[in-house]
Amino acid sequence: QQQVKQSPQSLIVQKGGISIINCAYENTAFDYFPWYQQFPGKGPALLIAIRPDVSEKKEGRFTISFNKSAKQFSLHIMDSQPGDSATYFCAANGGGFKTIFGAGTRLFVKA
Amino acid sequence: NAGVTQTPKFRILKIGQSMTLQCTQDMNHNYMYWYRQDPGMGLKLIYYSVGAGITDKGEVPNGYNVSRSTTEDFPLRLELAAPSQTSVYFCASSLTWGDTQYFGPGTRLTVL
Repeated sequence: QQQVKQSPQSLIVQKGGISIINCAYENTAFDYFPWYQQFPGKGPALLIAIRPDVSEKKEGRFTISFNKSAKQFSLHIMDSQPGDSATYFCAANGGGFKTIFGAGTRLFVKA
Repeated sequence: NAGVTQTPKFRILKIGQSMTLQCTQDMNHNYMYWYRQDPGMGLKLIYYSVGAGITDKGEVPNGYNVSRSTTEDFPLRLELAAPSQTSVYFCASSLTWGDTQYFGPGTRLTVL
């Protein structure tokens, strides 16, 4: 069974702080690593994604760091805002395998 | 572009009843998926389809059935509802296998 292990399960960050969510995968055939953001009562939506040919991708306040040798990737949210409060899912796919989602991280940013 | 739409938004079923969750996408995506999300848990794949007429089981298919007669529609059928099927159900679609998935707003189902 392919897994993507995500931590922490929940996270509380002060406004303006940095939120960090980590994921680890097992299957070296995976070659696409998206992060999804889900607000309460809504479906997940793609936030940012990375492929293993780069070690970092930044879009605004959101950055993915990717460590291919360690089979780990993480989401950093800089200058976290209350509007960032949501559940974040990492995922992995590639090599013909189905997309595997992490268990999710509930982020709460305190004003 | 409406994207992925799901109906109904909410439903309460009695044990043993059946129902169909509807899913429609207007992006001409070949790939469609059904997931369930239990509280505090991730997304579990129930069934998926790679095109009209082709479906396959995911991780948790027991108690569910699907059909895909058109590119746009991918209904999920619950037969003999059980309390264990209380969950939020999401339909999603993607252009290619392994591509970004676009999710619908979900159906919250309670089985009592």
